[in-house]
Amino acid sequence: QVQLQESGPGLVKPSETLTLTCTVSGGSISRSSYYWGWIRQPPGKGLEWIGSIYYSGSTYYNPSLKSRITISVDTSKNQFSLRLSSVTAADTAVYYCARLPYYYDNNDYRFGAFDIWGQGTMVTVSS
Amino acid sequence: DIQMTQSPSSLSASVGDRVTITCQASQDISNYLNWYQQKPGKAPKLLIYDASNLETGVPSRFSGSESGTDFTFTINSLQPEDIATYYCQHYDNRLLTFGGGTKVQI
Repeated sequence: QVQLQESGPGLVKPSETLTLTCTVSGGSISRSSYYWGWIRQPPGKGLEWIGSIYYSGSTYYNPSLKSRITISVDTSKNQFSLRLSSVTAADTAVYYCARLPYYYDNNDYRFGAFDIWGQGTMVTVSS
Repeated sequence: DIQMTQSPSSLSASVGDRVTITCQASQDISNYLNWYQQKPGKAPKLLIYDASNLETGVPSRFSGSESGTDFTFTINSLQPEDIATYYCQHYDNRLLTFGGGTKVQI
């Protein structure tokens, strides 16, 4: 079955760029029915969608983070990545990657629900 | 932008109780509402999609329903393993939003 695994540094300095990678196993990231997303959760707080990407490179971003985010995909490695620039302590969180079905419904394409999640990786922003 | 209001933020119930959580949308969102369960230290798990559809493998004591812009998540006969935080999540125009969460305690 499909599994997702986040990787990247656990500590990032303020003002630097956070970079995380999600590796997809057990299935192809290039399958046409899915977007792939990043979600984060600050300690003790709720979930926040960061953005999502299709294997073609099409992206959708949370408007509140859009100016600092880049999500990219590497189909040859079956991976997608998140870059978040100019980080502050407010970006300290557990970062999750997840699979997001995408399908045709009612004469339009739409997202489904995040149906498979990685285990998450904690990133702390501190000097 | 569509606003989602999830309530209550926390609740305490007994084993065997029926538990209800609601998410209210500020305008019509069709049935684009999903529910997740998150246990401490774990990733969220999808329970209900498109308002009322039970994800494969999820116990039938979990259910979801909709009435206009009001969405309800129900646990019939709360079990000790259901202690978790539950989130609604909405999709609109390629943007995804999570509710604030409801912490369910015994």
